[in-house]
Amino acid sequence: QQQVKQSPQSLIVQKGGISIINCAYENTAFDYFPWYQQFPGKGPALLIAIRPDVSEKKEGRFTISFNKSAKQFSLHIMDSQPGDSATYFCAAANAGGTSYGKLTFGQGTILTVHP
Amino acid sequence: NAGVTQTPKFQVLKTGQSMTLQCAQDMNHNSMYWYRQDPGMGLRLIYYSASEGTTDKGEVPNGYNVSRLNKREFSLRLESAAPSQTSVYFCASSEFYEQYFGPGTRLTVT
Repeated sequence: QQQVKQSPQSLIVQKGGISIINCAYENTAFDYFPWYQQFPGKGPALLIAIRPDVSEKKEGRFTISFNKSAKQFSLHIMDSQPGDSATYFCAAANAGGTSYGKLTFGQGTILTVHP
Repeated sequence: NAGVTQTPKFQVLKTGQSMTLQCAQDMNHNSMYWYRQDPGMGLRLIYYSASEGTTDKGEVPNGYNVSRLNKREFSLRLESAAPSQTSVYFCASSEFYEQYFGPGTRLTVT
């Protein structure tokens, strides 16, 4: 049962362009939505995260847009660079009052930025 | 400060063999996790340990066992490996929501 659906599976963008990756979730109890970046041969690393009380969060060239009513969130990478080429995973968690969150991951998007 | 370390990095097993994947973290985190990563499937949670002394099943626990040896170490055991367990295994730790991942173990079962 896939609770977080991510698209597209792969994305090719020219240097300087905008990369957009989308995720949709089903469980309305999710209250934490991170994006992870993974380079080949490495473990995923947290890129940016958002809580459902805000609609947008920006950190440098990376922005998360969140639509609670549609149960969707997306990652925008502005001015994409070849060094951004990696696999990106969205995720969601329901802490439920605990001090940790079990993450449910999307299927991943392989981003290639051409010079 | 090494973060999360995993051993071994690579392993080839024959069907039916057993092995233990080791994970250690030096960030004094309470929670630890084991995931498997398969193409097109994302990362799926196998087991997790919310705190020392507790373990719980995740999304895909069948065929695996875990031990939270102490606050630093969380091991994953395959008692009788099957080809379906060919995957990349990641350990992670967290204090709150943000999880820190190890470099992974690439396991092939023939």
